[in-house]
Amino acid sequence: SQTIHQWPATLVQPVGSPLSLECTVEGTSNPNLYWYRQAAGRGLQLLFYSVGIGQISSEVPQNLSASRPQDRQFILSSKKLLLSDSGFYLCASPREAGGTGELFFGEGSRLTVL
Amino acid sequence: QKEVEQDPGPLSVPEGAIVSLNCTYSNSAFQYFMWYRQYSRKGPELLMYTYSSGNKEDGRFTAQVDKSSKYISLFIRDSQPSDSATYLCAMSGSSYGKLTFGQGTILTVHP
Repeated sequence: SQTIHQWPATLVQPVGSPLSLECTVEGTSNPNLYWYRQAAGRGLQLLFYSVGIGQISSEVPQNLSASRPQDRQFILSSKKLLLSDSGFYLCASPREAGGTGELFFGEGSRLTVL
Repeated sequence: QKEVEQDPGPLSVPEGAIVSLNCTYSNSAFQYFMWYRQYSRKGPELLMYTYSSGNKEDGRFTAQVDKSSKYISLFIRDSQPSDSATYLCAMSGSSYGKLTFGQGTILTVHP
């Protein structure tokens, strides 16, 4: 079955520092991959999605970027963090190959920017 | 106006109660409808998925979709303390996983 790994699970970073969050997927090949952010007490906001290696689409202009160096690896980065980047970052992939609308989520990375 | 509106609650009910969670949406292109459950500090887990109007039942959970009214609901029968979580509705206009989420309803079921 499909498994999504995210790390680090928790991160506290100062304003202006760089960021790298990693997501890897097991149990599927050539998946669509998504990065969502969840601010405190709010729903999930789609940040980036990727349909294949090197293919990244951005949904929201922001201080973040994404890359997909390998089929099952998705990375979220920032060169200089802002306070507003704090949140719970979730990597997701469709439950079935080809996608049927349902998403399966990783356990998330909680980022606090101080 | 947000594409998806969900009452944030919080909602507190006694054990055994029937819980009703609701979302409205404005985008007629939405075809796929989901409910997720999210425990504190965890990733969301899929509870129910449907793509047609009507009811879909799975154990104590029933998902209801009314496309004409742009309204979806999740009913939880015989609620348990283990049902205490945040419930998120989500929907999509395609099969590519670009979901739009409601802001979540915090549910507490007390013994």
